[in-house]
Amino acid sequence: ELKVEQNPLFLSMQEGKNYTIYCNYSTTSDRLYWYRQDPGKSLESLFVLLSNGAVKQEGRLMASLDTKARLSTLHITAAVHDLSATYFCAAAAQETSGSRLTFGEGTQLTVNP
Amino acid sequence: NAGVTQTPKFQVLKTGQSMTLQCAQDMNHEYMSWYRQDPGMGLRLIHYSVGAGITDQGEVPNGYNVSRSTTEDFPLRLLSAAPSQTSVYFCASSYFAGFADGYTFGSGTRLTVV
Repeated sequence: ELKVEQNPLFLSMQEGKNYTIYCNYSTTSDRLYWYRQDPGKSLESLFVLLSNGAVKQEGRLMASLDTKARLSTLHITAAVHDLSATYFCAAAAQETSGSRLTFGEGTQLTVNP
Repeated sequence: NAGVTQTPKFQVLKTGQSMTLQCAQDMNHEYMSWYRQDPGMGLRLIHYSVGAGITDQGEVPNGYNVSRSTTEDFPLRLLSAAPSQTSVYFCASSYFAGFADGYTFGSGTRLTVV
């Protein structure tokens, strides 16, 4: 059974600082997703990582995937208040071809002025 | 382009009542799923479908039924509502194997069972 763990679950950081959210998963997966959720809203797709060593960047966010270590990271560079949200990673077990996602518990990020 | 449309947005049910949460997508996606989101637990998969006529159970299927008669629609039925089903429900859809775009989520249905 695929399990996905994120850490930290809560992250309070100052504007301008850098930080990394970690996402570990328990069994072989060939696709890893990152989503953002604002309070009371739906999930917004940030990144889809499909291969070992994949790295994607959008603005101040950069995501990477290491399938050998079963680890994905979401790195935040020079945080700004607008990045305050909950971030989820999700993985799909390799044999499911992406049809079933297992989510982590989410990381609630607060960026303080 | 509407994407994934869920109705209703809010619903209050009494224990024992039944209802159907509607989900429709206009992107011709093969994959559709239903998740529930509870505080501190992330999203958990209820049921999913890989194409019209094909459905399967996810992590927390008890108390829910689904069907997929068309590519566009994937309704979720609560058979006899219980307070434990109070949650936010999200429907999601994706192309086969989720290449490039990942899953698109609907806006959610906030359900309260009293």
